[in-house]
Amino acid sequence: NAGVTQTPKFRVLKTGQSMTLLCAQDMNHEYMYWYRQDPGMGLRLIHYSVGEGTTAKGEVPDGYNVSRLKKQNFLLGLESAAPSQTSVYFCASSSALANVLTFGAGSRLTVL
Amino acid sequence: KQEVTQIPAALSVPEGENLVLNCSFTDSAIYNLQWFRQDPGKGLTSLLLIQSSQREQTSGRLNASLDKSSGRSTLYIAASQPGDSATYLCAVRNTDKLIFGTGTRLQVFP
Repeated sequence: NAGVTQTPKFRVLKTGQSMTLLCAQDMNHEYMYWYRQDPGMGLRLIHYSVGEGTTAKGEVPDGYNVSRLKKQNFLLGLESAAPSQTSVYFCASSSALANVLTFGAGSRLTVL
Repeated sequence: KQEVTQIPAALSVPEGENLVLNCSFTDSAIYNLQWFRQDPGKGLTSLLLIQSSQREQTSGRLNASLDKSSGRSTLYIAASQPGDSATYLCAVRNTDKLIFGTGTRLQVFP
């Protein structure tokens, strides 16, 4: 049972490049989330999804897009990366009933 | 807007001490509160989940309490060990969102 898997684990981008982070969960969870973690600022919610085909904005959605075409996958896209998006990105999922969040190991992104 | 605050930001204690970590939130209309542990360079591991109707939850040496009306939760760690060294985060759920505090970095030295 893999839980929540994030790919890639590390990535270095140049300003203006685009990329997609993939989150996959095998627990049949309805809810999925993308957070970013920055020193001194804790985890901030970027976007989330309450089920297949749905997405919603969190606290810091600007500069990011998401898609949830399949229940088990939640993709986070950066269309034009900026240095301010240098961060560690965490994906999490939960069932609608239990609400316990399971996190992935994180993806460290550096934008030069 | 829900805001979650954790005090202290950092804590260093000798092994064996009992300690309390604090979490406060501004909007008491929460569904639940969750405590997490994060080791350096790692993801978050869920420790305890308290539903809004509950007052406390216990797991081993950990006890978490919730006072929804005053917007506070505490995480009590009994007989601390060096292996407890990590950052501890609390998070509150409002509807679909889970909002995190900035964490308490705990160091337990032998």
